[in-house]
Amino acid sequence: DIQMTQSPSSLSASVGDRVTITCRASQSISTYLNWFQQKPGKAPYLLIYAASNLQSGVPSRFSGSGSGTDFTLTISSLQPEDFASYYCQQSYINPRTFGQGTKVEIK
Amino acid sequence: QVQLVQSGAEVKKPGASVKVSCKASGYTLTNYGISWVRQAPGQGLEWMGRISAYNGNTNYAQKLQGRVTMTTDTSTSTAYMELRSLRSDDTAVYFCARVTYYGSGKDAFDVWGQGTMVTVS
Repeated sequence: DIQMTQSPSSLSASVGDRVTITCRASQSISTYLNWFQQKPGKAPYLLIYAASNLQSGVPSRFSGSGSGTDFTLTISSLQPEDFASYYCQQSYINPRTFGQGTKVEIK
Repeated sequence: QVQLVQSGAEVKKPGASVKVSCKASGYTLTNYGISWVRQAPGQGLEWMGRISAYNGNTNYAQKLQGRVTMTTDTSTSTAYMELRSLRSDDTAVYFCARVTYYGSGKDAFDVWGQGTMVTVS
């Protein structure tokens, strides 16, 4: 199975901050990488697909980059509604695997 | 609008089975896949498997092989996930998600059900 490792596991930030979350795959997955946001008690929400493509309706302050084994999710200016957990997920092979998550908290 | 609506919470005894439903609306079920993902309390997301609503082909996570069955009923646009021989560590919220294909083999879970809490106790 492909292991997905996110860093950091949690971070504290203020409204307006630029936030970067990293995801590393245990083997090359090209750009078969998706990012999700999840708020407590809610289902995950697709933000970015195929590493860098913004899902329809997602604010442009979210962006994704990377290929191979190293990927990044960036929030250019953190908004109050962005405090949540974020997960990366590889869609290269089965079993699809997720990172352990990054919790973004209010500083 | 496009949505997936899941069945309600379940409480089961160890060794029992549970069957969770996921009704699709606003799109044609057979044009997409359905994946199931679960999340134990306070934990991360775990992929359980997927089914092609077009031809019924399935792929299951190896750790669940033999205990899980995913099916679809195209006449009612509903997907089902049955998990047997339940254990306490199966306690989780179970999500269904639509699988959308973007070309070059890339796909993503772009629409999610609201989740179904299954408690094994």
